[in-house]
Amino acid sequence: LAKTTQPISMDSYEGQEVNITCSHNNIATNDYITWYQQFPSQGPRFIIQGYKTKVTNEVASLFIPADRKSSTLSLPRVSLSDTAVYYCLVGPNTDKLIFGTGTRLQVFP
Amino acid sequence: DTAVSQTPKYLVTQMGNDKSIKCEQNLGHDTMYWYKQDSKKFLKIMFSYNNKELIINETVPNRFSPKSPDKAHLNLHINSLELGDSAVYFCASSPASASDYEQYFGPGTRLTVT
Repeated sequence: LAKTTQPISMDSYEGQEVNITCSHNNIATNDYITWYQQFPSQGPRFIIQGYKTKVTNEVASLFIPADRKSSTLSLPRVSLSDTAVYYCLVGPNTDKLIFGTGTRLQVFP
Repeated sequence: DTAVSQTPKYLVTQMGNDKSIKCEQNLGHDTMYWYKQDSKKFLKIMFSYNNKELIINETVPNRFSPKSPDKAHLNLHINSLELGDSAVYFCASSPASASDYEQYFGPGTRLTVT
């Protein structure tokens, strides 16, 4: 089983900012934190990856505190199309490429 | 152009048969993977492979075998199919310069064993 912990589900409304937190207390020194998005009947899609502090791209931001025992994926101004399952992976040492149950985000109009 | 493609998209077959799923990537990546997503939606690595090394998840039965004719392809062969093999199988690839965790996935192949 994955060594990370995320909320099973979250609800939001269009236009709101969504923050999904992942706990990874046993993260190793050379582990990276990677987030994926998966829509029904599709393969996961890489969103963002980081090692420490803050990473931002055109899709999301990733906040990682100094102790790296958790991370937060931030999705600005979500839309209906952001409804998906979001996975946090920590590796290469922690998760061994085993995705957990992820966080099911439901965005309402 | 599709970055990572898989064929077929759906595969229905009977127990005991042997089947193959093909995967191709046109990203120039060095490492390819096969994953299984079961009915509970857990997505689990089965194999990772590059020119130098095949890494097998120890929980994968030896009825499953990856075969790579070249760097752009990693096919999955399954012998003596069982009911429990029914799942969605995803192929993925990653560039040599990135960590293993920056992967690009195919659309999946839904395998149903009857």
